[in-house]
This record gives sequence, structure tokens and C-alpha cells, in this order.
Amino acid sequence: DIQMTQSPSSLSASVGDRVTITCRASQSISSYLNWYQQKPGKAPKLLIYAASSLQSGVPSRFSGSGSGTDFTLTISSLQPEDFATYYCQQSHSTLFTFGPGTKVDIK
Amino acid sequence: QVQLQESGPGLVKPSETLSLTCTVSGDSISSSSYYWGWVRQPPGKGLEWIGTIYYSGTTYDNPSLKSRVTISVDTSKNQFSLRVKSVTAADTAVYSCARVNTGMLDAFDMWGQGTMVIVSS
Repeated sequence: DIQMTQSPSSLSASVGDRVTITCRASQSISSYLNWYQQKPGKAPKLLIYAASSLQSGVPSRFSGSGSGTDFTLTISSLQPEDFATYYCQQSHSTLFTFGPGTKVDIK
Repeated sequence: QVQLQESGPGLVKPSETLSLTCTVSGDSISSSSYYWGWVRQPPGKGLEWIGTIYYSGTTYDNPSLKSRVTISVDTSKNQFSLRVKSVTAADTAVYSCARVNTGMLDAFDMWGQGTMVIVSS
């Protein structure tokens, strides 16, 4: 199975900050990496697919990069509605796996 | 606009079988552009992929669930279903169905709202 790790597991940031979250796969997954945002009591929301493609309707302050085993999600200027938990997920293998999540809260 | 809605019992006894159904509206479950999956989230924990089913009926499921999972599709009702047998308290979670978009390198692009299932006697 492909294992996914994320760092940090949590971070505190202020509105306007640039935030970067890292995701690493245990083996190469090419660009089969997706990012989701989840708020408490809500279903996950797709932000980025194929490592760097922005889902329709998602603000351009969100961006993704990377390929192979190392990926990043960047929020260029954190907004109040961005405080949430972020998950990466690989879809390279038929056996999907999620990362453990990164919680972004208010500093 | 496609919508997914989970349904099923919110309480299941230990050792019994958990059964959930996802009803898809606004799109055909037989479309070759998509396939379908289940994800769960135990209280206070992260997301866990349970399994996926293609329109052909081919399924894949998480090895950590030790072959307790069955996923099936009913194209006549535009539904797909999940069964988890021999449940324990560790299977208590919010269960969500989701659509996998093949045009997005197999990302989960649409989700149901999720349904809480508690395993308890």
C-alpha cells in the first residue's frame, strides 16, 4: 500500500499569512495527488486535483505543486474561511489512501 | 447538479452487518466518466478510504478492513451500497459516499453529506 504523510500535523496562522502544507508519498505517485478541505461537521471539499489543478469555484489563493513523492499545498493569503483541516489523497493506486490531515487554526 | 445522499441505520449492534446505500441524483451512475466510493471518518480522526466500485461492477477495498467489505451497484435505482460485516466499536464513524472523477485523475469531486453510524449494543 502507498502510505501518505503530511506535515505539519497542525499549525497556527493569522489572516493574511502564507501557509504551506507538505504531503509525502511512500512511493512515486506521479501527479495523482489531490487536496481536500474539511470544516467541522461538513463533508470534505476538493480543492486541488492532479497535484496542481484548481477545482472549479476554488479561490486562486489556493495552489498545489509537486510530483513523484513530494507535494505542497499553498494558501497565499489566509482568509477567515480557510481555517479548517486539509487532507492529501493519492489516487495512483487502485487502493486509495489519505494523509492524516493538517489542522489550520487561528493564531 | 449531481447530488449524493447516504441512507441506512444509524445504530448497529456489535458482530452484525452495517448496510448503507448512496442514492445518486442528477447524473447516471453508469457514466464511464465516473466511478463511486465510500470513505469513513471515526469521531475526532482522519479520513479513511473504504472502497470503490466501477460501473462495470469491479470493486477495490481497503485491506485494513480485512475483507469485511462488500460494495455493490444497482444501476436501475441509480444507487450503490456498502456492507461491512462483523462490526465492532472501531467501525463507529461518519460514512460518506463520493464520486470519483476519471477526468480529474480519479479525485473525489462530489460528496454526500455523510451519515453517522454507531456500533453499540
